[in-house]
Amino acid sequence: QKEVEQNSGPLSVPEGAIASLNCTYSDRVSQSFFWYRQYSGKSPELIMSIYSNGDKEDGRFTAQLNKASQYVSLLIRDSQPSDSATYLCAVGGVTGGSYIPTFGRGTSLIVHP
Amino acid sequence: GAGVSQTPSNKVTEKGKYVELRCDPISGHTALYWYRQSLGQGPEFLIYFQGTGAADDSGLPNDRFFAVRPEGSVSTLKIQRTERGDSAVYLCASSWDPTDTQYFGPGTRLTVL
Repeated sequence: QKEVEQNSGPLSVPEGAIASLNCTYSDRVSQSFFWYRQYSGKSPELIMSIYSNGDKEDGRFTAQLNKASQYVSLLIRDSQPSDSATYLCAVGGVTGGSYIPTFGRGTSLIVHP
Repeated sequence: GAGVSQTPSNKVTEKGKYVELRCDPISGHTALYWYRQSLGQGPEFLIYFQGTGAADDSGLPNDRFFAVRPEGSVSTLKIQRTERGDSAVYLCASSWDPTDTQYFGPGTRLTVL
């Protein structure tokens, strides 16, 4: 049973600060890693994907992957109130010939003015 | 361009009834996934189609759940003899291929009374 663990939060940060969201996964042979943002009552939307070790930056967002430690994180710089949402970590890999992503339960982020 | 669409957006039914949930993926996307999301949880995998065939249905909770994708585009998730525990948001996602980014539809909120 593949597992993806996230702290459910809420993580509360002041506006303008860096928010750090973390995720660990159990399947060592996982191949792809995604961060989705989900506003209350809405469906998940992709923020970042990362496939190799290291950092990947896109605007205010940086994804970090460490396969040896089975750890992926998302940093949000200059956090804004509009970033307040639940952030889902998803980890993908092949099981029995099928590619099935496994989602964590999400971390609730609150950015207060 | 058009994203993933799902109908209905909300469905209220009585225990024991049959329901059908529809997903219209992004044009050209061959991979289609169904997920179920309960409050405070991440999306839980149900079934995955590659083209017309169900590549993996290991996430379907029991034989009351069934899904089809007869022409490799629109998919229908069918639930027989609904139970109160089936109440959740049912999400559909599609992608160009299984390892690629998944794009989610708005979901169908199913409530079983």
